[in-house]
Amino acid sequence: AQSVTQPDIHITVSEGASLELRCNYSYGATPYLFWYVQSPGQGLQLLLKYFSGDTLVQGIKGFEAEFKRSQSSFNLRKPSVHWSDAAEYFCAVGAWGGGNKLTFGTGTQLKVEL
Amino acid sequence: DTAVSQTPKYLVTQMGNDKSIKCEQNLGHDTMYWYKQDSKKFLKIMFSYNNKELIINETVPNRFSPKSPDKAHLNLHINSLELGDSAVYFCASSQQDRVSSYEQYFGPGTRLTVT
Repeated sequence: AQSVTQPDIHITVSEGASLELRCNYSYGATPYLFWYVQSPGQGLQLLLKYFSGDTLVQGIKGFEAEFKRSQSSFNLRKPSVHWSDAAEYFCAVGAWGGGNKLTFGTGTQLKVEL
Repeated sequence: DTAVSQTPKYLVTQMGNDKSIKCEQNLGHDTMYWYKQDSKKFLKIMFSYNNKELIINETVPNRFSPKSPDKAHLNLHINSLELGDSAVYFCASSQQDRVSSYEQYFGPGTRLTVT
């Protein structure tokens, strides 16, 4: 069965600083990988996705993520964080078949200091 | 023009009661889901329906029963509520094809508090 680990529960960065959120996955085949963002009191919104091909994927709001098979990682990055980026970020892995289930990590809460 | 809507947004009830949460999507999607998010923000899928057919049924107590009257609606009925059912419940929808099924659109959530 697939699983996702997000080792950082909380991260605080200053506005304008760069950001990297870590995600490690466990899956027997080539994974489908995702980052979702949850703003306070809201549902989740898809930031970006990786299915195959180029290992560096671009998403919305200036985010990008890099798939590294050798490290089983899919870290999320942003070169310059804005105060509005403060939210909870979830990494997820998908497995085709059996209902195309998404398995989420436990999330990383991002705080942005002004 | 809300894409995925849920009602109610907040639900406070006593142990032993029966309650329902409703979900509607206007995206024309084939598949709908229910997720439970616990107090530690851990998000776990409960059910998914594709064109009114149950596709995913995770290990969930049978007190929870999803009902899909049509492909735009997926309701969640919970019998004999327990304290441990307190959580935020999210509805989501997606297309069914291999790629799009993971691009799920979430509703705003229903915060259920059982006292």
